[in-house]
Amino acid sequence: DAGVIQSPRHEVTEMGQEVTLRCKPISGHNSLFWYRQTMMRGLELLIYFNNNVPIDDSGMPEDRFSAKMPNASFSTLKIQPSEPRDSAVYFCASSWDPGGNTEAFFGQGTRLTVV
Amino acid sequence: ILNVEQSPQSLHVQEGDSTNFTCSFPSSNFYALHWYRWETAKSPEALFVMTLNGDEKKKGRISATLNTKEGYSYLYIKGSQPEDSATYLCAFMIYNQGGKLIFGQGTELSVKP
Repeated sequence: DAGVIQSPRHEVTEMGQEVTLRCKPISGHNSLFWYRQTMMRGLELLIYFNNNVPIDDSGMPEDRFSAKMPNASFSTLKIQPSEPRDSAVYFCASSWDPGGNTEAFFGQGTRLTVV
Repeated sequence: ILNVEQSPQSLHVQEGDSTNFTCSFPSSNFYALHWYRWETAKSPEALFVMTLNGDEKKKGRISATLNTKEGYSYLYIKGSQPEDSATYLCAFMIYNQGGKLIFGQGTELSVKP
């Protein structure tokens, strides 16, 4: 398996524009996590899915953020409208056992810059 | 609010030194404790996953211990090498929350030759 695949790797957009980040988890994994990395907060959990169902979205900062997982092999994180303070690296991770006994595998991240 | 605290925030050692870091987490509702290694410009990679009080794990020169009753874990690196330079993250998984993994801020290790 190629691992967790995120796209794009880099995104530069203007304030107010819609941004969509994409993630393909490892085949067979049933948990998917979206994290945001900032200097201030480190790796911050935004939302996670188990068997394609959102379990906890309490980390989603505002209504401008939304995430979907229409099937087991694809998830999106959307920001609409984007703001400069959304600039960060966004990581997607997946694991096959939500019970905690196996590690999470991370994608390479999407570096988002909102100008 | 569930906090995972790591100390120190950063550490600078010489090649050959042994070092250790601490991860503190809530002792209630414990399910698992993960350690990850995060090199610059890469993504975090798992070192250990520990679930039982008293667990000790080892991978080469790196080892970790777990105390769930008092809520801490130690990561040890014996004979640090420059290639060990990275940020070491611990993550706490909460019982009965379907896999919610909360990360600490990490310990940034720099090993000078």
